Amino acid sequence: GAGVSQSPSNKVTEKGKDVELRCDPISGHTALYWYRQSLGQGLEFLIYFQGNSAPDKSGLPSDRFSAERTGGSVSTLTIQRTQQEDSAVYLCASSLGGTLRNEQYFGPGTRLTVT
Amino acid sequence: AQSVAQPEDQVNVAEGNPLTVKCTYSVSGNPYLFWYVQYPNRGLQFLLKYITGDNLVKGSYGFEAEFNKSQTSFHLKKPSALVSDSALYFCAVRDTGRAAGNKLTFGGGTRVLVKP
Repeated sequence: GAGVSQSPSNKVTEKGKDVELRCDPISGHTALYWYRQSLGQGLEFLIYFQGNSAPDKSGLPSDRFSAERTGGSVSTLTIQRTQQEDSAVYLCASSLGGTLRNEQYFGPGTRLTVT
Repeated sequence: AQSVAQPEDQVNVAEGNPLTVKCTYSVSGNPYLFWYVQYPNRGLQFLLKYITGDNLVKGSYGFEAEFNKSQTSFHLKKPSALVSDSALYFCAVRDTGRAAGNKLTFGGGTRVLVKP
């Protein structure tokens, strides 16, 4: 079956521009997560969606970052007025439920480079 | 607050030798513990998890991990390493304590290099 897909795989943008990153979770997975992986920084939690509940946005680093999940499926992470420190690999993951007992399935990531 | 430590940035091992990747954690309640592996230019793949029950957990590709509550550890092991096991390994924890929130915290990762 299809896994988690993300697009684009690579994105180069100029400082100050807005970018949108897309995630298609595994069908039937109610939980969706966004992480950021920077060189030497490990994985940083950004945001978590579970069903129709309000998302947990506690990991978003600034108000330039936002995310939405339409129809309980596809999610878009938007970064406004990008800065060079936003350069990283953005990973999306989904899982069957929201209790975190279930393992997460990760997409291949979007590599964002801000010049 | 929950936290995870992977004390070794890199582990080098000869093919055929035992492999151990260390992980310790800190939580307020009981932990859910996970190991993930990341191969170059790919997303993370789930290896195994401890939720409850038997302290020895077996997972994919011949890996296993032992939950040790007294030492707050969840070390990943493989009896005989393969060159193809060379990758970046992440330990992760979810704290089930009341104030912990619904978040998975990852360690900084350990790079494993298996030499032929």
